Amino acid sequence: EDKVVQSPLSLVVHEGDTVTLNCSYEVTNFRSLLWYKQEKKAPTFLFMLTSSGIEKKSGRLSSILDKKELFSILNITATQTGDSAVYLCAVVRNSGNTPLVFGKGTRLSVIA
Amino acid sequence: NAGVTQTPKFQVLKTGQSMTLQCAQDMNHEYMSWYRQDPGMGLRLIHYSVGAGITDQGEVPNGYNVSRSTTEDFPLRLLSAAPSQTSVYFCASRTGKPYEQYFGPGTRLTVT
Repeated sequence: EDKVVQSPLSLVVHEGDTVTLNCSYEVTNFRSLLWYKQEKKAPTFLFMLTSSGIEKKSGRLSSILDKKELFSILNITATQTGDSAVYLCAVVRNSGNTPLVFGKGTRLSVIA
Repeated sequence: NAGVTQTPKFQVLKTGQSMTLQCAQDMNHEYMSWYRQDPGMGLRLIHYSVGAGITDQGEVPNGYNVSRSTTEDFPLRLLSAAPSQTSVYFCASRTGKPYEQYFGPGTRLTVT
């Protein structure tokens, strides 16, 4: 059975800290991995990763994929209270019509 | 474009009642999905559709029906509501590129 596991499930940090969120996966016909940020409402897209070792970066957020060890990390540097959210990882499979497989998410709380 | 719209935003039902959650998108996306999100469980797929007239079951389909008579609309029907269906429901649509998955704002359903 395909599965995506995120860790930790929740995390509390102080503003200015750096955090690393983990996502491991076991899926057949892996195609790509997506990261989403979910605040109060619907998830919003952050990154798509398809190739190993190529870092994607957007401001203080960055992410990388390791297809050999089957995991991805999402790094957030110099965290701010606005980074508080649930971060979701999802995997896309190669059999094109099948939907995304989501992890349960990591709830990040950044306190001032 | 309005993107993905969902109605209602909030709903309270009594056990045994039926209702339909509406979802519409104006982006001409082929793929549409319904997810439910419960605390600690992440996003779980209920049903999905790869085009008008084609639907399939996801991870947790029991107690829900869907149909896709047009590209734009993908309603989710609860046949006989149960307290276990208390959740937040998200509709999503996407193009053939998997990262372009857009979520609706969600419907918070409470079954008493």
